[in-house]
Amino acid sequence: NFMLTQPHSVSESPGKTVTISCTRSSGSIASNYVQWYQQRPGSAPTTVIYEDNQRPSGVPDRFSGSIDSSSNSASLTISGLKTEDEADYYCQSYDSSNVVFGGGTKLTVL
Amino acid sequence: QVQLVESGGGLVKPGGSLRLSCAASGFTFSDYYMSWIRQAPGKGLEWVSYISSSGSTIYYADSVKGRFTISRDNAKNSLYLQMNSLRAEDTAVYYCARGPLRFLFDPWGQGTLVTVSS
Repeated sequence: NFMLTQPHSVSESPGKTVTISCTRSSGSIASNYVQWYQQRPGSAPTTVIYEDNQRPSGVPDRFSGSIDSSSNSASLTISGLKTEDEADYYCQSYDSSNVVFGGGTKLTVL
Repeated sequence: QVQLVESGGGLVKPGGSLRLSCAASGFTFSDYYMSWIRQAPGKGLEWVSYISSSGSTIYYADSVKGRFTISRDNAKNSLYLQMNSLRAEDTAVYYCARGPLRFLFDPWGQGTLVTVSS
């Protein structure tokens, strides 16, 4: 089994851009899709990015996803930060039948 | 709209059992894989189990294998999780989620809290 490692926390000011990384410990990041979920306090997770870089309808285009094979990592970038973006963000991928979530990153918009 | 509503959580003693249910509506339940995902208090997300649309294919995380059983009743649009030999480390909010569909879980229910304590 592999692990997905995320920074514990990041913070940035409103209007700025922040990038959250998700590094895969073994196996290629490109071999299985990566999803990103947003979880606000007291709420269930919701999808902000699926299949590496696809945005569900209703998710603003300020959210974007990418993968980088050289660092074996995926990234979630949020531009034009708003206070409402303050939440926990989780990456998720899989390997055959096994599903793996990253440990989560707390985004503070201050 | 798609809705998932979990029930059955509560306080149980170590070694005890509990059965969670998830009522689905707003989509053709029998067309989709379904999953259970949990979150310990103040911790991250942990996948528990998923079941194929027909129920013929099932996978579990190693942490619950042999103790938990996932099942579904397509006639009742319901998903279940039978949890036996519960441990303190099973304490978590348990979410029902549609999928994986291309390994995406979406949407999720609001969750039900299971507390394992003496």
